[in-house]
Amino acid sequence: DAKTTQPNSMESNEEEPVHLPCNHSTISGTDYIHWYRQLPSQGPEYVIHGLTSNVNNRMASLAIAEDRKSSTLILHRATLRDAAVYYCILRDVGGSQGNLIFGKGTKLSVKP
Amino acid sequence: ETGVTQSPTHLIKTRGQQVTLRCSSQSGHNTVSWYQQALGQGPQFIFQYYREEENGRGNFPPRFSGLQFPNYSSELNVNALELDDSALYLCASSPGVGAGGYTFGSGTRLTVV
Repeated sequence: DAKTTQPNSMESNEEEPVHLPCNHSTISGTDYIHWYRQLPSQGPEYVIHGLTSNVNNRMASLAIAEDRKSSTLILHRATLRDAAVYYCILRDVGGSQGNLIFGKGTKLSVKP
Repeated sequence: ETGVTQSPTHLIKTRGQQVTLRCSSQSGHNTVSWYQQALGQGPQFIFQYYREEENGRGNFPPRFSGLQFPNYSSELNVNALELDDSALYLCASSPGVGAGGYTFGSGTRLTVV
């Protein structure tokens, strides 16, 4: 699986939008972009994934650059409950193994 | 719909002992993966089971072994425990290999003294 690069930490104010960037310059054509988050004292939680087009769900939006070398996870209105480590992960849709390769992620702090 | 359940939640073992951790997968999920997460690090893949067969392994020694049962629940066994095995052990299930998102349990915190 290709590597991703994320900032170590970010801060946001409550009820403001948050844009979490991820670079994946060596992404291949069959790699999906997945985002997970891990709240304190919990296991990782699936957030969203996409291949080429932007994606929206109840938790967040995923904006994928046209060349797919970067993506941005968007939380439209941050809440205190969104404070977590956010992981950007690439997964080969054609791979026989489904393991996730986690980096260190971005630690998001949300201020009231 | 129940999520992924892991037991026990916390465990303290002595160096050299053996430990078994258990995981019940989410209903309808036939694939289980195990991860080790050291403090301050992202989870590291140990191995995955699909329909009771090992379907991939990370860079962990053979003293880390596992099983998956017909009901898709799973066990992680670690022999000859070392101090560096102290970590959070996470189980994740999915409806198939490479299929969509994984559902993680809250983990078992293992401390080796």
